[in-house]
Amino acid sequence: DIQLTQSPSSLSASVGDRVTITCRASQGTSNYLAWYQQKPGKVPKLLIYAASILQSGVPSRFSGSGSATDFTLTISSLQPEDVATYYCQKYNNAPFTFGPGTKVDIK
Amino acid sequence: EVQLLESGGGLVQPGGSPRVSCAASGFTFSSYAMTWVRQAPGKGLEWVSVISASGDKTYYADSVKGRFTISRDNSKNTVYLQMNSLRAEDTAVYYCAKDKSDCSGGSCYSLDYWGQGTLVTVSS
Repeated sequence: DIQLTQSPSSLSASVGDRVTITCRASQGTSNYLAWYQQKPGKVPKLLIYAASILQSGVPSRFSGSGSATDFTLTISSLQPEDVATYYCQKYNNAPFTFGPGTKVDIK
Repeated sequence: EVQLLESGGGLVQPGGSPRVSCAASGFTFSSYAMTWVRQAPGKGLEWVSVISASGDKTYYADSVKGRFTISRDNSKNTVYLQMNSLRAEDTAVYYCAKDKSDCSGGSCYSLDYWGQGTLVTVSS
């Protein structure tokens, strides 16, 4: 089965900073990769699908890139409401594994 | 408005066999695959199972294969997760989520709507 790793596992950044989170797959997933945001105590929310397509209603400061085994989620200007844990997920074939998550908070 | 409402959680004894349900509304239920994802207290998301739109394809995480069964009733707009032989490590919030596709070809397309989740606690 394909495993997903995320780095860093946590980060602290200042408001307005550019933040980049990496998701690496143990084998290629083409562009079948999504990113989710889960705020504390809340339900996960889809941010990005097909590696780089912004889900409707998601602020444009979020972007995704990559293909095959290496993917990134970028927040161009971190806002206080972006404090959350971010997960990647592969969905090319089962099992549709999630990454372990990256916790983002404000410095 | 898409709504997903899970039910059936609660306190279950080890070895128990609860069934959780997810009632959907606000979209054409029979056109989309449905997924169960769980989250143990303080832990990350764990994909559990998916069922294709027509119900002819099902997939499971290794951790639940042979113990859990996903099913759906398109006439009732409801997806189910039958859980058998529960263990303490199955304690989690169980979310149902709608896929963006029907998952008919073995590939899916990400989870665009999630329910609020139902907590299943396995303890004696």
